[in-house]
Amino acid sequence: EIVMTQSPATLSVSPGERATLSCRASQSVASNLAWYQQKPGQAPRLLIYGASTRATGIPARFSGSGSGTEFTLTISSLQSEDFAVYYCQQYNNWPPVTFGPGTKVDIK
Amino acid sequence: EVQLVESGGVVVQPGGSLRLSCAASGFTFDDYAMHWARQAPGKGLEWVSLISWDGGSTYYADSVKGRFTISRDNSKNSLYLQMNSLRGEDTALYYCAKGNEVANYMDVWGKGTTVTVSS
Repeated sequence: EIVMTQSPATLSVSPGERATLSCRASQSVASNLAWYQQKPGQAPRLLIYGASTRATGIPARFSGSGSGTEFTLTISSLQSEDFAVYYCQQYNNWPPVTFGPGTKVDIK
Repeated sequence: EVQLVESGGVVVQPGGSLRLSCAASGFTFDDYAMHWARQAPGKGLEWVSLISWDGGSTYYADSVKGRFTISRDNSKNSLYLQMNSLRGEDTALYYCAKGNEVANYMDVWGKGTTVTVSS
């Protein structure tokens, strides 16, 4: 089973600042990585798939990069609606599909 | 608009059984694989199960293998999760999610239904 780790666990950012979230896989997942956003009381929402392709309707301030075992989600200028928990998920080696533990982005 | 609506979550005793349902609309249901995922209170996301578009292939997390059964009825645009031998650690919000046509990420999620296993 591929183990996903995310850092930091919590990221405190001021509105308008840049946020950089990291995700690491225990072995290569190529570019088969997705990012999800989850706000309190809501279901997860797909942000990024294929490590770097934005899902439909996702603003351009969200970008993904990386391949193999190291991945990054960047939010270029944080808006109030972006404060949430972000999960990465690998779908290269399955089952099981595996998620990281999440990074909470909160207001500084 | 793509919609997934889960139902069937209740409070059940340890060792009990439950069937969750997910009603799909807004897309051609039988073109897509479907997933169940869950989230224990205050915890992260855990994938539970996957079923192929035709129901011919099913996959499970080790934590539920042998106890849970995923199924679908394409004539009713519905996905199901039969949960047997329930344990306290199965307490969670259960999400139905639509798979992508070429890869196993989840591009649309329902709002979830809550299962509580408690005596």
